[in-house]
Amino acid sequence: RKEVEQDPGPFNVPEGATVAFNCTYSNSASQSFFWYRQDCRKEPKLLMSVYSSGNEDGRFTAQLNRASQYISLLIRDSKLSDSATYLCVVNKDSSASKIIFGSGTRLSIRP
Amino acid sequence: DVKVTQSSRYLVKRTGEKVFLECVQDMDHENMFWYRQDPGLGLRLIYFSYDVKMKEKGDIPEGYSVSREKKERFSLILESASTNQTSMYLCASSVRGGGSMNTEAFFGQGTRLTVV
Repeated sequence: RKEVEQDPGPFNVPEGATVAFNCTYSNSASQSFFWYRQDCRKEPKLLMSVYSSGNEDGRFTAQLNRASQYISLLIRDSKLSDSATYLCVVNKDSSASKIIFGSGTRLSIRP
Repeated sequence: DVKVTQSSRYLVKRTGEKVFLECVQDMDHENMFWYRQDPGLGLRLIYFSYDVKMKEKGDIPEGYSVSREKKERFSLILESASTNQTSMYLCASSVRGGGSMNTEAFFGQGTRLTVV
């Protein structure tokens, strides 16, 4: 079983729609969680960290469910510019020295 | 601005060649990482380093080695390049966090290596 699993997609949704992705992780001792965004032919960049209490940044909401070992990302009122691959990221230990990436979920927003 | 710089964007090498991929970061980060990214497989960790001269194997270290002689530089070495090492290679760095501190990884622009 992979340490971090994501649905690869692609998710193809119309502009303005709400879309959500989940990501599951296998190590219950994992310490920190993130969502990264990767545009085509570019490097990944941090989208948002995921806190235990959940957090929101504009149209983006991230949630952590430790009991079920998953994190989620919700995008409201999606824009064409949201088209990208979204990578779930987990820090496995308290020293934050080992960062594990999911294989990514591809999102395509159509006009 | 944090900067992680990889020495080449594109490389073409022959099977059996020794290949060096260089990565430099300017933020005094303790942690540095090398990943490869392949379609459908996502980013896979090759090696990482949490301090000068320290290195640890990631998930797919076979066929690779690394060197970290200075804090700002982390080199990935393909001892004898093979066609199955054709991939996008991404270097990243981060501070060494602790406990529940969330630590962001900053990436270089990637090196697309083709082994022929």
